[in-house]
Amino acid sequence: GQNIDQPTEMTATEGAIVQINCTYQTSGFNGLFWYQQHAGEAPTFLSYNVLDGLEEKGRFSSFLSRSKGYSYLLLKELQMKDSASYLCAVRDRVGFQKLVFGTGTRLLVSP
Amino acid sequence: KAGVTQTPRYLIKTRGQQVTLSCSPISGHRSVSWYQQTPGQGLQFLFEYFSETQRNKGNFPGRFSGRQFSNSRSEMNVSTLELGDSALYLCASSLEGIGRGEQYFGPGTRLTVT
Repeated sequence: GQNIDQPTEMTATEGAIVQINCTYQTSGFNGLFWYQQHAGEAPTFLSYNVLDGLEEKGRFSSFLSRSKGYSYLLLKELQMKDSASYLCAVRDRVGFQKLVFGTGTRLLVSP
Repeated sequence: KAGVTQTPRYLIKTRGQQVTLSCSPISGHRSVSWYQQTPGQGLQFLFEYFSETQRNKGNFPGRFSGRQFSNSRSEMNVSTLELGDSALYLCASSLEGIGRGEQYFGPGTRLTVT
């Protein structure tokens, strides 16, 4: 089976940097996604990692270590609009593949 | 290009009733996946349809079923509703399926069972 762990909630200040961690256990890993979900809205895609290392996309970066079953999402120069839930999801290689989500990390950015 | 649409956006049903939710994927996308989102459990995978065939299924009881039409639109049905079925139901579309690319989520249908 799969197990994905993320912190439930984090707080940070506008302009700061925050790192949201995700650890996972899966029988057949085939990629990790990060999604952002504002309250009452649909999740939107942020990043995808399948190989070890850092993927950078503007203010957001995502890191993966397959040997450690670990990923993090790094948000720089935080803005108020970054207050949202951040979902870590692992793609399973078994069968036709499923996307297994963590319960999400609610980030609150304060002035 | 229009995004994923879901109807209805809100629904209130009574225990024991059944409900059908609809999802129209992005034009050209052949895969539609359905998820249930609750505060305690997060996003949980229900099933994926690709070219009218169910390709994968999560760990939900048989009361949850779905289908996909030739135009890729998909419906999800829940029979004999229970209070615990109250949730946000999200569908997501992708070009070739979960295994091969990014998914685009619709706004969801908020189902309340009383």
